[in-house]
Amino acid sequence: EDQVTQSPEALRLQEGESSSLNCSYTVSGLRGLFWYRQDPGKGPEFLFTLYSAGEEKEKERLKATLTKKESFLHITAPKPEDSATYLCAVQARGFQKLVFGTGTRLLVSP
Amino acid sequence: DARVTQTPRHKVTEMGQEVTMRCQPILGHNTVFWYRQTMMQGLELLAYFRNRAPLDDSGMPKDRFSAEMPDATLATLKIQPSEPRDSAVYFCASGFPSMFSNGGYEQYFGPGTRLTVT
Repeated sequence: EDQVTQSPEALRLQEGESSSLNCSYTVSGLRGLFWYRQDPGKGPEFLFTLYSAGEEKEKERLKATLTKKESFLHITAPKPEDSATYLCAVQARGFQKLVFGTGTRLLVSP
Repeated sequence: DARVTQTPRHKVTEMGQEVTMRCQPILGHNTVFWYRQTMMQGLELLAYFRNRAPLDDSGMPKDRFSAEMPDATLATLKIQPSEPRDSAVYFCASGFPSMFSNGGYEQYFGPGTRLTVT
């Protein structure tokens, strides 16, 4: 069974304090690993898709990396507006559905 | 700015009543997904359609939930009869095959319908 585990569950950072979120996965053939951001009361917002080990993608202060067992979302010099829940999901070969982790709640204090 | 839209945004109903949630996918997307999100379970896939045909509804309680896509611009999720344990946020997402890989689907979510069953 495909599984996604995210850690930590919650993370509190000071503005400018860089850190990383972890997403460990087991999947029967990875088609893609997805990162989403979710703000309270809103739907998940698509951030990145990673397809193969070694791949990296960046967007503003966020950088996502992928290995054969896990993905990291690195947040460099975060700002309070980066506060949100970050969700990781995997898509297995032959399927369109996503299996989500439970997310990491990030709070960045000024 | 293309977006997935969902109605209603909030619904409060009594146990036993029928609930219908609607979704308009992004024009051109050929796959529509229904998810449910709760604090305990996180995001769970209920059902999805491709080109309006149901592909997988194994995540749905079949006796009370039904999902349809009467046309390319409308997807519906019905609960009849509703129960308090159905209280959750229901998200619709639409997607298309990514150009950049082996068919991976990027999915874009709507704002959700927050359902409360009393």
